[in-house]
Amino acid sequence: DIQMTQSPSSLSASVGDRVTITCRASQGISSWLAWYQQKPEKAPKSLIYAASSLQSGVPSRFSGSGSGTEFTLTISSLQPEDFATYYCQQYNSYPPTFGPGTKVNIK
Amino acid sequence: EVQLLESGGGLVQPGGSLKLSCAASGFTFSSYAMSWVRQAPGKGLEWVSIISGNAGSTYYADSVKGRFTISRDNSKNTVCLQMNSLRAEDTAVYYCAKHWASGTYYFDYWGQGALVTVSS
Repeated sequence: DIQMTQSPSSLSASVGDRVTITCRASQGISSWLAWYQQKPEKAPKSLIYAASSLQSGVPSRFSGSGSGTEFTLTISSLQPEDFATYYCQQYNSYPPTFGPGTKVNIK
Repeated sequence: EVQLLESGGGLVQPGGSLKLSCAASGFTFSSYAMSWVRQAPGKGLEWVSIISGNAGSTYYADSVKGRFTISRDNSKNTVCLQMNSLRAEDTAVYYCAKHWASGTYYFDYWGQGALVTVSS
């Protein structure tokens, strides 16, 4: 199975900050990477697919980049509703696997 | 609007069985594969099982193979997960998730989840 790692595991940021989360795959996955946002006690919400394509309805302050084994999720200007845990997921190879998550806290 | 609504969660003893259901609406259900993904308390996400749109193909994570069975009824727009021989480590919130497109494991919509607790 492809192992996914994320860094940092948590971060503290203020409203308006630019936030970057990194996701790494244990082997190349081309651009078959998704990002999800999960708020406490809620279901995950899809944000980005194919490494950089924004899911319909997702604000443009979210962006993704990368290919191969290293990927980033960037929030250009953090908003109060963005405080959540973010997961990456590879869907290049079966079985699909998720990263351990990055929790974005209020500073 | 796509909606996925799980039901059937609850408390079950080790070795017991439980069946989860997911009612779907807002899209052409039979055209999309569906998966179950679980999340143990305080932990990350783990894919569990997939069923193709026509129910012709099913796959399972090694952790549940031989114990869980996924099924769907396209006439009722529902997908189910029959869970047998449950273990404490199966305790989790179970989400049903819609696949974005055939052949991909990208999930564009998720249900609100059903909590399964395996404990004596």
